[in-house]
Formats: sequence, C-alpha cells, structure tokens
Amino acid sequence: DSGVTQTPKHLITATGQRVTLRCSPRSGDLSVYWYQQSLDQGLQFLIQYYNGEERAKGNILERFSAQQFPDLHSELNLSSLELGDSALYFCASSLGQGYEAFFGQGTRLTVV
Amino acid sequence: GESVGLHLPTLSVQEGDNSIINCAYSNSASDYFIWYKQESGKGPQFIIDIRSNMDKRQGQRVTVLLNKTVKHLSLQIAATQPGDSAVYFCAEYRRGSGTYKYIFGTGTRLKVLA
Repeated sequence: DSGVTQTPKHLITATGQRVTLRCSPRSGDLSVYWYQQSLDQGLQFLIQYYNGEERAKGNILERFSAQQFPDLHSELNLSSLELGDSALYFCASSLGQGYEAFFGQGTRLTVV
Repeated sequence: GESVGLHLPTLSVQEGDNSIINCAYSNSASDYFIWYKQESGKGPQFIIDIRSNMDKRQGQRVTVLLNKTVKHLSLQIAATQPGDSAVYFCAEYRRGSGTYKYIFGTGTRLKVLA
C-alpha cells in the first residue's frame, strides 16, 4: 500500500458526460501528480500541483481540469467525455520537488 | 507526447538469471531518475532512484546505473524471480521554466520463465 488513495476504482460513463476523480496523497506529501495510461501505453503526464498551486502541465486536454484543495487532496475533472478518454488515471504524490513519487492504484475510466 | 525511453519491448529471462532493462533519456539537464514496476491492474511501484551526481546505486537485488555521457539508464535485477514479472518504467525528473515533472518511458515488459 503506497498510502495514496484514489476513488473510485472503476467508473463507467457515457460520451458527453463529466466525471470527477479524487486523490488523497500520502500523509505529509505536498505534491500531487496526475497521469493517464491508455492500454499498453506508458504514463502520460497530465498536471502537477504543489501545496495547492499548479506547478506543471503536460498533455492535458482543455476538457480536463484539476485542482488541489487546502487539505491537499486533489480532483481531476474530465468533461465532454469521448471514447478515447477511456484509460487508467493515476495519481501520485511526493514530499516535494525531487523526491520519489508514490502512486495510487488508479481509476479505470470506461466511456461508452 | 513527451517521453523517455524506448517503445515497449519484452524481455524474457530464465528464473534465477540476471535481468538488465535499459532506458534512454533525452534531457541532459534532468537530475533525478526513478525506476518503477507495474504489475497488471496495479499502480506503478517505486523500486529505486538515482540522482545525477551518482553513477550507480544498489538496492535489494536491484542496481541502477546512470551514464550521463550517453544519457542512458539501466536497471539490473539479480536472480530474477517469477514475482519480478511486470512492466518496468524509467522516469526522468525534468526541470524547465520553473516547472518540474516526471516524464515516463513507455516501459519494458519483463517475463520470467520457469
């Protein structure tokens, strides 16, 4: 158990809908990262927050947004969902910059 | 998108043999690297890390080697066991324009043969 909690574990929704994925980082970690992993693909970096502030953006679509709350949990919002958004979405947390990142078990999103 | 490493290859090794998984990175300014193991249906699991001021770091049955001259990273697993079967990713910690992020390679699938 990495200490990073993601909910829900599975999510099935229809095209055009909006979903929210939630991540609770390890106790004491200030950085949260979101990644997308499609079937048999690597981990594509989406976005990073540090202590409530956005720090880095990767290949995140405009339909997607995220935030980190004062209690340091984070949410990833995916809207106007398309079939191609079906993937595993991982959250990771780290103490700060340049420290090892620990991953949650992921949320498997299926868009039908 | 941004990536580190090679297309997903598969490495098959006999149980008990040593495994070597390779990774190339592109940004010479990166100063921190991590190897992760991902088993089917699970999140990536931290294995070992190395900073750019080191050439080698050892853990339990694992060794990471860093060659900054050719921007190459390798993971050596000694006495490979069936439980080592997984996909292994290298990650590069990249700084740029005041931002910091981990960039992952596409991974290598390790299959341990009994």
